Amino acid sequence: SQQGEEDPQALSIQEGENATMNCSYKTSINNLQWYRQNSGRGLVHLILIRSNEREKHSGRLRVTLDTSKKSSSLLITASRAADTASYFCAPHKMGAQKLVFGQGTRLTINP
Amino acid sequence: EADIYQTPRYLVIGTGKKITLECSQTMGHDKMYWYQQDPGMELHLIHYSYGVNSTEKGDLSSESTVSRIRTEHFPLTLESARPSHTSQYLCASSEFGRTSGGRGTGELFFGEGSRLTVL
Repeated sequence: SQQGEEDPQALSIQEGENATMNCSYKTSINNLQWYRQNSGRGLVHLILIRSNEREKHSGRLRVTLDTSKKSSSLLITASRAADTASYFCAPHKMGAQKLVFGQGTRLTINP
Repeated sequence: EADIYQTPRYLVIGTGKKITLECSQTMGHDKMYWYQQDPGMELHLIHYSYGVNSTEKGDLSSESTVSRIRTEHFPLTLESARPSHTSQYLCASSEFGRTSGGRGTGELFFGEGSRLTVL
């Protein structure tokens, strides 16, 4: 299966804390992408990490990739109420021209 | 901000009606996609297109049909809507495609979605 599996399915933390979400996948990849979806809206691309990269930062986001374990993690530091959303990982399989999404991690930031 | 637009955002119709969900993008992307998503659930790919006059069925069987007559336009049609079609439909586009020689990262740009309710 091409899709990633996010863990945990749901995460609830206090504002200001860090949130960590994990993604596991099964195939060889070109890159792995993370998306955010606010309730009732479309997905928004957050960050992409290539298969030859191990870590990438973008603002309060930090993504790691371990291709030997076929896993990735997304860290959101100093969380805010506006970070409340579902987060999806999307492994981009080599040669594929589509992305398959799992159920995502539902993140709730409590004020 | 993504230049991909979906209309209508919300639609409530009766069983048996024909509906078309519109999706347009101004980025010149080759690839376009339709995903179906129930609340709190995963996205299911139901249709995609490599380019003009190219359409493919996705991973989830759907009674809907699509067309790709122009690069920027990828409408989805249900000939006879049923309550089981009630869902959110998300359109997306990507620069990654056969006509671009396989280049690109595969990043998807999504519209805001069309929430369909069939009574």
